Amino acid sequence: EVQLVQSGAEVKKPGKSLKISCKGSGYSFPTYWIGWVRQMPGKGLEWLGIIYPDDSDTRYSPSFQGQVTISADKSITTAYLQWSSLKASDTAMYFCARLMTSERFDAFDIWGQGTMVTVSS
Amino acid sequence: DIQMTQSPSSLSASVGDRVTITCQASQDIRKYLNWYQQKPGKAPKLLIYDAFNLDTGVPSRFSGSGSGTDFTFTISSLQPEDIATYYCQQSDNLPLTFGGGTKVEIK
Repeated sequence: EVQLVQSGAEVKKPGKSLKISCKGSGYSFPTYWIGWVRQMPGKGLEWLGIIYPDDSDTRYSPSFQGQVTISADKSITTAYLQWSSLKASDTAMYFCARLMTSERFDAFDIWGQGTMVTVSS
Repeated sequence: DIQMTQSPSSLSASVGDRVTITCQASQDIRKYLNWYQQKPGKAPKLLIYDAFNLDTGVPSRFSGSGSGTDFTFTISSLQPEDIATYYCQQSDNLPLTFGGGTKVEIK
């Protein structure tokens, strides 16, 4: 079964760092782009960026460039999203998702279950 | 960035009704428009890719059409399990962008 399994919910204080994970299985992890999508409470979907695990080619949304870091370790089929200094406005559900083809930027066909990040003092 | 304008933002319809949602892109995106369904507390699910292709296992009551800047998503006969929020997303250019969503409720 093709699936993405994300790490569990996090509660952090402002200014702290955080790294959440997304582990792929059931397919050739290195050769499919993995993206991250944010959903703030009660709001819509926002695309943060994508990474190609085979060579770590990474593209960011201009809105999130410099705010988060996307990485991947193909040896353990895991992608990551990290913050160096969290803000209350980072409170959201974060989904990882796989692009359905490697030939072009495409639809997200497989989604992780989501990781809820809460930033509060 | 390509802006995606979805309408309506919400709708209420009866079981068996035909439901239509539109999505307009701020520039030509050819056929690269995808539709997702998100139920409360769940991850989005891909329904339609490249404007009109149903993803594997998606019921045939769902359909999509359009090209260029104007796209339509249709549920031919609304079922109780279709209660969800639906999002369009363009995949012609980075950054990938989503519409604001349409919340579908049962009347």
